[in-house]
Amino acid sequence: DIVMTQTPLSSPVTLGQPASISCRSSQSLVHSDGNTYLSWLHHRPGQPPRLLIYKISKRFSGVPDRFSGSGAGTDFTLQISRVEAEDVGVYYCMQATQFPQTFGQGTKVEIK
Amino acid sequence: EVQLVESGGGLVQPGRSLRLSCTGSGFTFGDYAMSWLRQAPGKGLEWVGFIRSKTYGETTEYAASVNGRFIISRDDSKNIAYLQMNNLKIEDTALYHCARYSSQPANWGQGILVTVSS
Repeated sequence: DIVMTQTPLSSPVTLGQPASISCRSSQSLVHSDGNTYLSWLHHRPGQPPRLLIYKISKRFSGVPDRFSGSGAGTDFTLQISRVEAEDVGVYYCMQATQFPQTFGQGTKVEIK
Repeated sequence: EVQLVESGGGLVQPGRSLRLSCTGSGFTFGDYAMSWLRQAPGKGLEWVGFIRSKTYGETTEYAASVNGRFIISRDDSKNIAYLQMNNLKIEDTALYHCARYSSQPANWGQGILVTVSS
């Protein structure tokens, strides 16, 4: 199975300031079709997880442009350009390149 | 608007069975693969399994932890995906979500709680 490792596991952030989360996979996420199926999801308590980013850097429908994804191969990053109050919660990276699909441990983002 | 609603959860004893349903609306259900995922209390997200669309033979994939015990199926005439859970274990206790799959779980339902306890 592909192991997804996120850092940090906790991130206190200041409103209006940037935030960054890293995700590393135990093997390359490049699929045989040439795509890299690395996604980022946001999970707030009491709500279902919400897809933010797919295929490394594509924003899902309705996702604000303060969210961006980057990376390649085994190393990926989610960046929030200016954190807003609604951005608190847990962020997960997920790979869908290979079965079983696997998630990172989650990074808890909270306001300082 | 894409909507997914899970039902069928509840309290069940170890070794028993339970079937979850996921009803979709706001999209052409039969065109999409569907996933089941779960979150145990205090834990992170876990992928449970996946069923491809009829175009791709409605074939399935499962996590090792549920393979041989859980079965995913679908009825496109009713816009429903099912998760048949057999021989339930205490460690299957979790909030179960279904998701419309588009290269990854794109739209998620609110989830339904399954508690396995004697």
